[in-house]
Amino acid sequence: DIQMTQSPPSLSASAGDRVTIICRASQSISTSLNWFQQKPGKAPKLLIYAASSLQSGVPLRFSGSGSGTDFTLTISSLQPEDFATYYCQQTYSAPFTFGPGTKVDIK
Amino acid sequence: EVQLVESGGGLVQPGGSLRLSCAASGFTFNKYWMTWVRQTPGKGLELVANVQQDGGQKYHVDSVKGRFTISRDNAKNSLYLEMNSLRAEDAGVYYCARLNWYSTVWFNDFWGHGTLVTVSS
Repeated sequence: DIQMTQSPPSLSASAGDRVTIICRASQSISTSLNWFQQKPGKAPKLLIYAASSLQSGVPLRFSGSGSGTDFTLTISSLQPEDFATYYCQQTYSAPFTFGPGTKVDIK
Repeated sequence: EVQLVESGGGLVQPGGSLRLSCAASGFTFNKYWMTWVRQTPGKGLELVANVQQDGGQKYHVDSVKGRFTISRDNAKNSLYLEMNSLRAEDAGVYYCARLNWYSTVWFNDFWGHGTLVTVSS
């Protein structure tokens, strides 16, 4: 199975900050990488698919990049509604696996 | 509007069984693969099973093979997960999700609200 890691596990930031979350795969997954946002008690919400494609309705402050084994999710200017946990997921090969998550909270 | 509504969760004893259901609306159900994903305290988010549009191809993660079975009824726009021989580590929130595809990449673009499974004596 492909193992996914994320860093940092958590971070504290202020509204307006630029935030970067890193996701690494244990082997090359091309661009088969998706990013999700999850708020407490809610289902995950798709933000980015295929490493860099913005899902419909997701604000432009979210962006994704990377290929192979290293990927990045960037929030250009953190908004109050962005405080949540973020997960990456590889869909290159079965079983599709998720990272452990990065919790973004208020500084 | 795409909607996925899970039901069937609850409290079950170890070794017991449950059948989860997911009612889909707002899209042409029989044109999409569908997925069950669970979120457990021990493993976080974990894909449990996928099923092809016509139910012909199915994938189950190793940890549930032989115990869980994914199925669908396209006439009823419904997805199911039959869970047998439940263990404590199966406890968590189970989500139904649509599986979409773009330029060789798969992604779960719509998710239900989840249904809670508790395994305890």
